[in-house]
Amino acid sequence: DSGVTQTPKHLITATGQRVTLRCSPRSGDLSVYWYQQSLDQGLQFLIQYYNGEERAKGNILERFSAQQFPDLHSELNLSSLELGDSALYFCASSVVVQGAEGYTFGSGTRLTVV
Amino acid sequence: AQSVAQPEDQVNVAEGNPLTVKCTYSVSGNPYLFWYVQYPNRGLQFLLKYITGDNLVKGSYGFEAEFNKSQTSFHLKKPSALVSDSALYFCAVRVPNSGYSTLTFGKGTMLLVSP
Repeated sequence: DSGVTQTPKHLITATGQRVTLRCSPRSGDLSVYWYQQSLDQGLQFLIQYYNGEERAKGNILERFSAQQFPDLHSELNLSSLELGDSALYFCASSVVVQGAEGYTFGSGTRLTVV
Repeated sequence: AQSVAQPEDQVNVAEGNPLTVKCTYSVSGNPYLFWYVQYPNRGLQFLLKYITGDNLVKGSYGFEAEFNKSQTSFHLKKPSALVSDSALYFCAVRVPNSGYSTLTFGKGTMLLVSP
């Protein structure tokens, strides 16, 4: 157990629907990162939050949004889902933003859009 | 910008033989370099990192990596491969105090170790 908890582990939904993925960072970590992993795109950075504030944006679609709450857990909201959004979504956390430590990853949420 | 290249989609090696998984990077400044491993249906697990100092870094499960600044490389190595090393390996880079606060990952290299 890495200490980063992601729920749900699996999600199957229809096109056009909206889903919410949840992440609880490792205890003491203030920064949360969301990544999308697909076969053709590899591991793509989506968005980062630090202590409740957005710090960096990557290749995140406008249909996607995220937030980090005061208790530091984060949610990734995916709306108007398309077949191509099917992927493994990872959350990672770290203590600080520019430290020398790496990230601790959760086990991911596998999203299947049908 | 910062980028990482893993030139091989897949590396095949027989158990007991040495293995190398290649990684090259492109950054402005001095990089922090990382290797992660992903087993099926699991998240990425940290293997090792280079921050500063000795160019040869030792990590988990007998893996090591050598930082080569002139060749901008950070290849992952292991003297004797195990079947259980079969997994997807990711190289990642970040330049501290740059405009990029996040790790940039390579596309990953699948390592297959045959018995």
